[in-house]
Amino acid sequence: QTVVTQEPSFSVSPGGTVTLTCGLSSGSVSTSYYPSWYQQTPGQPPRTLIYNTNTHSPGVPIRFSGSILGGKAALTITGAQAEDESDYYCVLYVAGGIWVFGGGTKLTVL
Amino acid sequence: EVQLVESGGGIVQPGGSLRLSCAVSGFTISNSWMHWVRQVPGKGLLWVSHINSDGSSKTYADFVKGRLTISRDNAKNTLYLQMNSLRAEDTAVYYCATDLSYGMDLWGQGTTVTVS
Repeated sequence: QTVVTQEPSFSVSPGGTVTLTCGLSSGSVSTSYYPSWYQQTPGQPPRTLIYNTNTHSPGVPIRFSGSILGGKAALTITGAQAEDESDYYCVLYVAGGIWVFGGGTKLTVL
Repeated sequence: EVQLVESGGGIVQPGGSLRLSCAVSGFTISNSWMHWVRQVPGKGLLWVSHINSDGSSKTYADFVKGRLTISRDNAKNTLYLQMNSLRAEDTAVYYCATDLSYGMDLWGQGTTVTVS
């Protein structure tokens, strides 16, 4: 069974840079997993930030960027703002028509 | 403006059934894969099921175990999820989403299913 791992929580100062990661319990993440990233605030549906590793969804600020770093998918927020305080989820396409979400990262901006 | 509107959620007894619908406007779904994703309040997102553009290919998470069936009516621009033999652990908000490059793209607001 594939398990996708994310940091449970992270903290960043306003204006700072933070990198959230999305890994596999066994093996490395590559572009072949088509990692996508989502932002969610309480009571709201997810908002798509990044798809296919590093492509921005329309309207997403450029301070959000996606990449592969050290065998994991990564979401970097450069110049974090107060409104970025949210839960962040990644999803990986693990092949065979199966997708698996990570457990999510709660990002605090303070 | 693209809108995905889920409906059909509600309160159902264990062992019961529900059919969720996802009506899409402002976007033609006939060329798009579609997904259902669920979320227990306060918990993370969980992928449930996927269907390809013409409905000929369907995939499900392991926990579905034949109890849920995804389908679509492209003429009605609508996605469905038939849920049978419901269990307490199926209680969640269910979201529909379009697919883009093997990830979820446009999301609905969700419909709440409570099994109790």
